[in-house]
Amino acid sequence: QSALTQPASVSGSPGQSITISCTGTSSDVGGYNYVSWYQQYPGKAPKLIIYEVIDRPSGVSNRFSGSKSGDTASLTISGLQGEDEADYYCSSFSSKNTGVFGTGTKVTVL
Amino acid sequence: EVQLVQSGAEVKKPGESLKISCQASGYSFTTYWIGWVRQMPGKGLEWMGIIYPDDSDTRYSPSFQGQVTISADKSIRTAYLQWSSLKASDTAMYYCARRGRGAIGDYWGQGTLVTVSS
Repeated sequence: QSALTQPASVSGSPGQSITISCTGTSSDVGGYNYVSWYQQYPGKAPKLIIYEVIDRPSGVSNRFSGSKSGDTASLTISGLQGEDEADYYCSSFSSKNTGVFGTGTKVTVL
Repeated sequence: EVQLVQSGAEVKKPGESLKISCQASGYSFTTYWIGWVRQMPGKGLEWMGIIYPDDSDTRYSPSFQGQVTISADKSIRTAYLQWSSLKASDTAMYYCARRGRGAIGDYWGQGTLVTVSS
């Protein structure tokens, strides 16, 4: 059960859009529509921002959007803002009712 | 309001045992899986395992199987993570998280910092 693969870092200027990829296998990302994304600030607990690939919990900005194609899921942040500077993790359900996280991506707003 | 409140920070020596807790409120405790996540200093999130409090059905990540024990007491709406013999490499922040809305964690505890040092 290997971690899902994410780029270590992604950066963008305010107002731009960035996309973070999350690559797994047919046993996790590709096999279930249960991909979720989390935002984590230093010293804080993760916060759910996308669930079931594309859905947003209430209160989460619509600048965050998710998608999936095959074994790769993606998180897009549009209209990048300074407050978006954080670590982002994807996760997926996996076989035998287990779970797996991505390696994490540090987003920097230039 | 859904809340997961974890026990406080712990400082232990190698070889000691430890049990940390996560008390849930604001939802039906027995009808959601609840899991544990490790975050070592400066590192990413690692899924450790989950438990279904109604019948204590438990699943572990292969990386943590045999290294920790996850349990729950539904009478007091509390999940636990325990070690029988801590190692320095167990030093980390540990989060509990409710599995809901098709997500590994739709609600999270505030984290419990475990420090293992001689």
